[in-house]
Amino acid sequence: DAGITQSPRHKVTETGTPVTLRCHQTENHRYMYWYRQDPGHGLRLIHYSYGVKDTDKGEVSDGYSVSRSKTEDFLLTLESATSSQTSVYFCAIRGSLGSEQYFGPGTRLTVT
Amino acid sequence: KNQVEQSPQSLIILEGKNCTLQCNYTVSPFSNLRWYKQDTGRGPVSLTIMTFSENTKSNGRYTATLDADTKQSSLHITASQLSDSASYICVVSEATGNQFYFGTGTSLTVIP
Repeated sequence: DAGITQSPRHKVTETGTPVTLRCHQTENHRYMYWYRQDPGHGLRLIHYSYGVKDTDKGEVSDGYSVSRSKTEDFLLTLESATSSQTSVYFCAIRGSLGSEQYFGPGTRLTVT
Repeated sequence: KNQVEQSPQSLIILEGKNCTLQCNYTVSPFSNLRWYKQDTGRGPVSLTIMTFSENTKSNGRYTATLDADTKQSSLHITASQLSDSASYICVVSEATGNQFYFGTGTSLTVIP
């Protein structure tokens, strides 16, 4: 699992509340990613980071922000959660060879 | 537009039987193609990775093929087991940057 953990693993929140998901890695990888996975859509990139304080948007970044103040932690924040953000969120790192990704266990988020 | 398409969307087979999953892509320039297995409630795990020059690669009962000319790949599962029940995701990497393109997956169910 390349030493990737996500927290929380499950969360239920109400529309309009802020939510922060955490991804933690223990192997000093430079690239980290946040994806969401929904039925019929597969995995879609939200944001990614290529170093401390270096981040960029993915294809579905609206409504999400990220921060990376330390190499090991990549935070995903929903400033004001909406029902359309109900999904399973996966964090991933890019392996040292640069050709594959390793995924965390996922966070199931439900916005009511 | 860079895309990855997988077929079939879902598949049910009897334990012990073989099956083949398909992946067609339009990603260019091509770097590599990976097949992931995703068990229910877990993150994707890499099965095989194939570069432009590789035609076939095996990982136990899983054999992946790549035809870079027609931009097609297949994943063949031999003597299926109940534990093969999962979603299988094809991911293609672009050579020029930090881009990974995901298929929507094939959901495989192996029944006794």
